Amino acid sequence: SQTIHQWPATLVQPVGSPLSLECTVEGTSNPNLYWYRQAAGRGLQLLFYSVGIGQISSEVPQNLSASRPQDRQFILSSKKLLLSDSGFYLCAWTPGRYGYTFGSGTRLTVV
Amino acid sequence: GQQVMQIPQYQHVQEGEDFTTYCNSSTTLSNIQWYKQRPGGHPVFLIQLVKSGEVKKQKRLTFQFGEAKKNSSLHITATQTTDVGTYFCAGASGGSNYKLTFGKGTLLTVNP
Repeated sequence: SQTIHQWPATLVQPVGSPLSLECTVEGTSNPNLYWYRQAAGRGLQLLFYSVGIGQISSEVPQNLSASRPQDRQFILSSKKLLLSDSGFYLCAWTPGRYGYTFGSGTRLTVV
Repeated sequence: GQQVMQIPQYQHVQEGEDFTTYCNSSTTLSNIQWYKQRPGGHPVFLIQLVKSGEVKKQKRLTFQFGEAKKNSSLHITATQTTDVGTYFCAGASGGSNYKLTFGKGTLLTVNP
């Protein structure tokens, strides 16, 4: 069966520090991968999505970047975090035009 | 770009009462999906609707997709405390890139 792993679960980082969040999917190949951010009490904002290795589409220009170095690995990064980068970061995958399976998320607090 | 509006933002009910949340898209959708997010958790996929006018049921939950494929609703009959959470609709438009636009969600609280 397919599983999605996302870590860490929580993270507290100072302003100006770098960020790297990792997401991996098991049990499938060539998944569509997505990074969403959820601010407290708000909806889900699509940040990046990828349909294949090295293929990244950015939805919202901001202080973040994404990479897909392997088929089932999706990484969210920042060189210098801002206070406004705080939020709940969710990775998701789908085999095609179906429902998403979300990871358990990373709660990032920038202080 | 595509926008998905969802109302109400909050709904508090007594256990046993019914609950409905509505979703409207600014564009015609190829499909619409519904998710549930428990407090402190991550969104979990509930269902996908594809056909115009489609109605699907999951136990006490009834999902509808409008005839114009621009609106949808989720109705819960006789709510239980286990129904607490935020319900999101998410719409997909046509095209080669498959991505969902989520509504802001409806937070349901149930008083036992």
